[in-house]
Amino acid sequence: DVKVTQSSRYLVKRTGEKVFLECVQDMDHENMFWYRQDPGLGLRLIYFSYDVKMKEKGDIPEGYSVSREKKERFSLILESASTNQTSMYLCASSLTSASGELFFGEGSRLTVL
Amino acid sequence: AQSVAQPEDQVNVAEGNPLTVKCTYSVSGNPYLFWYVQYPNRGLQFLLKYITGDNLVKGSYGFEAEFNKSQTSFHLKKPSALVSDSALYFCAVRDSGGSQGNLIFGKGTKLSVKP
Repeated sequence: DVKVTQSSRYLVKRTGEKVFLECVQDMDHENMFWYRQDPGLGLRLIYFSYDVKMKEKGDIPEGYSVSREKKERFSLILESASTNQTSMYLCASSLTSASGELFFGEGSRLTVL
Repeated sequence: AQSVAQPEDQVNVAEGNPLTVKCTYSVSGNPYLFWYVQYPNRGLQFLLKYITGDNLVKGSYGFEAEFNKSQTSFHLKKPSALVSDSALYFCAVRDSGGSQGNLIFGKGTKLSVKP
C-alpha cells in the first residue's frame, strides 16, 4: 500500500513564527501536492510538484512556499504564520498518469495563535 | 474551467436504507472522476474512480457510483447504509486531456447514518 506520512498531526504556533510541514511518500510517485481544508470550502490546492526541484502554484499560494529536494519528500513552509493560516493541511502524492488517483496523508492540523 | 458540485451539504439516512450522495461535474474534455471518504481528523481515502468503460463502477466498502455523461453526474451509492459509513465524502474530477496532476474537488457532503 502507498504510504504518505505527514510528520506532525497537530501543531500550535504563534503569529510570525516560521512553520515547516513535512511530507514523505514511499511509492516513488512523481507528483506531490499540498492542500488546505477548511469547513465549507473543501480542499484548496496550495502548491504541487511534478519532479524534484520543480514546483507549481496552486489556487492559494500566497503566504506559503514549498521545497522538494528529494523525490520522496515535499515540504510546506509558512514563512511568517498568521491566524488565517489556521487550518488542516493535507499532503498527497500520485503517479504521472491522468487516470491516477491521489493518495493522502493523515493531515496536519495547524493552529496559529 | 473544470468544476465539481456537490449540491447537498448533508445527507441523513437510516441504517439499512440505500444511500445516494450526489455529484455533478464540468470539464471541457472527457472526465476522470473520483470519490474519496474522510473520517474525522483523518486524511482522505480513495473509494473508487471512473476512467472509461462500464458506467457503473464498484469500489471499497460496498460503494458504487454511476457515471451519466448526458447529465454530467457521478453519484455515489450504497444499497444498505451502515452507521460506520458516517463520514465526509468528496467527489473530484480531472480532465483527461488536461494536466496530469491536480484533481478538482467538490466541497464535500457529510453523510450521517442513524441506527
